[in-house]
Amino acid sequence: AQKVTQAQTEISVVEKEDVTLDCVYETRDTTYYLFWYKQPPSGELVFLIRRNSFDEQNEISGRYSWNFQKSTSSFNFTITASQVVDSAVYFCALSEKTTSGTYKYIFGTGTRLKVLA
Amino acid sequence: DSGVTQTPKHLITATGQRVTLRCSPRSGDLSVYWYQQSLDQGLQFLIQYYNGEERAKGNILERFSAQQFPDLHSELNLSSLELGDSALYFCASSVDGKGTYEQYFGPGTRLTVT
Repeated sequence: AQKVTQAQTEISVVEKEDVTLDCVYETRDTTYYLFWYKQPPSGELVFLIRRNSFDEQNEISGRYSWNFQKSTSSFNFTITASQVVDSAVYFCALSEKTTSGTYKYIFGTGTRLKVLA
Repeated sequence: DSGVTQTPKHLITATGQRVTLRCSPRSGDLSVYWYQQSLDQGLQFLIQYYNGEERAKGNILERFSAQQFPDLHSELNLSSLELGDSALYFCASSVDGKGTYEQYFGPGTRLTVT
């Protein structure tokens, strides 16, 4: 079973629309970390947010907001008033403890967002 | 600019050859991670080094190896290359060795095996 599921392969929206990218994760640990990364057409992955499992507060950063719900194992990402520059592939990632005590990073398969002018 | 540098940016080589990819982490970061990104397999974690020592291993083939040097730069060696090794190889660095903090990615090396 996939540990991080991004069921939306590709989403297209028109500029100024709001869009939510879904991320569902699976872990047995009580301590884990969740991340979102953006990969624009230029190719470089850019860190967006980190959240630990004990902090369920939603976060807002400009037009970006994140909704973390442990009850549904989801960490969704919303872009408000989308812009063409938001067009990118967005990856959700989970860091959970392995048997050796280190944490292992697992990326979802990504959601390609296309914002049309 | 993440502060992570990777060279070369592009590499074209033939099957059976060996190549070395180089990565310099952000200043102050002790951890280096290597990833392979291909169209059919997404972003795959290969290996992590922390302060010169191997810390975690992912889906890294036996034909691939890596090391981290005392100045903290890292090299990923790919040998006996196959067509299927064509991919984008990313290096990322992080402040901690545990894997609980965000990673900062380099621009990647695009490897084409012909």
